[in-house]
Amino acid sequence: DADVTQTPRNRITKTGKRIMLECSQTKGHDRMYWYRQDPGLGLRLIYYSFDVKDINKGEISDGYSVSRQAQAKFSLSLESAIPNQTALYFCATSEGGSADTQYFGPGTRLTVL
Amino acid sequence: ELKVEQNPLFLSMQEGKNYTIYCNYSTTSDRLYWYRQDPGKSLESLFVLLSNGAVKQEGRLMASLDTKARLSTLHITAAVHDLSATYFCAGFMDSNYQLIWGAGTKLIIKP
Repeated sequence: DADVTQTPRNRITKTGKRIMLECSQTKGHDRMYWYRQDPGLGLRLIYYSFDVKDINKGEISDGYSVSRQAQAKFSLSLESAIPNQTALYFCATSEGGSADTQYFGPGTRLTVL
Repeated sequence: ELKVEQNPLFLSMQEGKNYTIYCNYSTTSDRLYWYRQDPGKSLESLFVLLSNGAVKQEGRLMASLDTKARLSTLHITAAVHDLSATYFCAGFMDSNYQLIWGAGTKLIIKP
């Protein structure tokens, strides 16, 4: 089984709808991240959490919110989706330490019409 | 503010050739990461470089870090078709514990 899972894998929605993307991990890592990927722009950090009580905004948090329900679960919400939020969304986890390598989920492709 | 720039952004090459992808970054960064992404897939960690002069190798890929020049390179030796992918570098920003990503280099290796 995959260590980092994301649901749904694909979602098409309409402008103004509320959307939740979910991420679960079995790696036992404390740190979790949400990124979006747009063609030609690399990845941009939306939010990150170093433990259940620690939530931090990333580079592009406007229009998004998150919830860290447990060490293993981190969800991303779009309160009122807009077309320019159409992107590929990735969840990642890391365990901290000197290397702190991030491990990525399979991604959620979101289309906002 | 850390900025990360990769070049080239697109590279088409023949099998058996050698080539280098460059990753320049704008301010001090304690760590430099290289990831691989296959089309429609997730990102896979390749290397983490933690200090000046660090060199890591895995198969036909070798990554190095020069913190004084603010430059990391990913060298491909005797390329094979299976290495076709998009390669990203990312620098670590101490001030807020974030990774800042380059735009990626799309590598196509023709058999």
